[in-house]
Amino acid sequence: KQEVTQIPAALSVPEGENLVLNCSFTDSAIYNLQWFRQDPGKGLTSLLLIQSSQREQTSGRLNASLDKSSGRSTLYIAASQPGDSATYLCAVRPGSARQLTFGSGTQLTVLP
Amino acid sequence: NAGVTQTPKFQVLKTGQSMTLQCAQDMNHNSMYWYRQDPGMGLRLIYYSASEGTTDKGEVPNGYNVSRLNKREFSLRLESAAPSQTSVYFCASSDRGLSYEQYFGPGTRLTVT
Repeated sequence: KQEVTQIPAALSVPEGENLVLNCSFTDSAIYNLQWFRQDPGKGLTSLLLIQSSQREQTSGRLNASLDKSSGRSTLYIAASQPGDSATYLCAVRPGSARQLTFGSGTQLTVLP
Repeated sequence: NAGVTQTPKFQVLKTGQSMTLQCAQDMNHNSMYWYRQDPGMGLRLIYYSASEGTTDKGEVPNGYNVSRLNKREFSLRLESAAPSQTSVYFCASSDRGLSYEQYFGPGTRLTVT
């Protein structure tokens, strides 16, 4: 059974710092990996999707990388801002299945 | 485009009551999903529908039923609510392309007393 782990569970950084969020998964036979952002009391917003054949994806100040063989993905946030404060979730799509398996998330606080 | 919409936003039920959570998407997606989110447990899949007319169980289907009414709508029914079903419920949909990128609704916060 696929398991997805995100460490740390919570992270607090000063504004302007570059930071990395980690995601690991136990079964490397994934189809793709998706990073989401969730604000308190809100739904999930898709940030980046990386196909299993890709190494990284970029959107603005966000860069997500994927190392399928080692079962790891990282989300890099450059020049963090207080508006980046949210919970970040990673999810993998195993093999040919359509459903996602989620990690428990990293709660990020960016201090002004 | 409204994306994925869910009703209601909040609901309080007594143990044993029934209710239906509604979900609709306007992106012409084939696949739709119901997840529940509980503190410390991430999101877990309850049921999904790969296409109109089909439904399949996910990781935690017990106590729930679903209906794929048409391509746009996918409802989740609790026949006899239990306190263990207190959670936040999210509906999602995805496209048919290679990515199957999932788009989520705003959620329904359900409390069962």
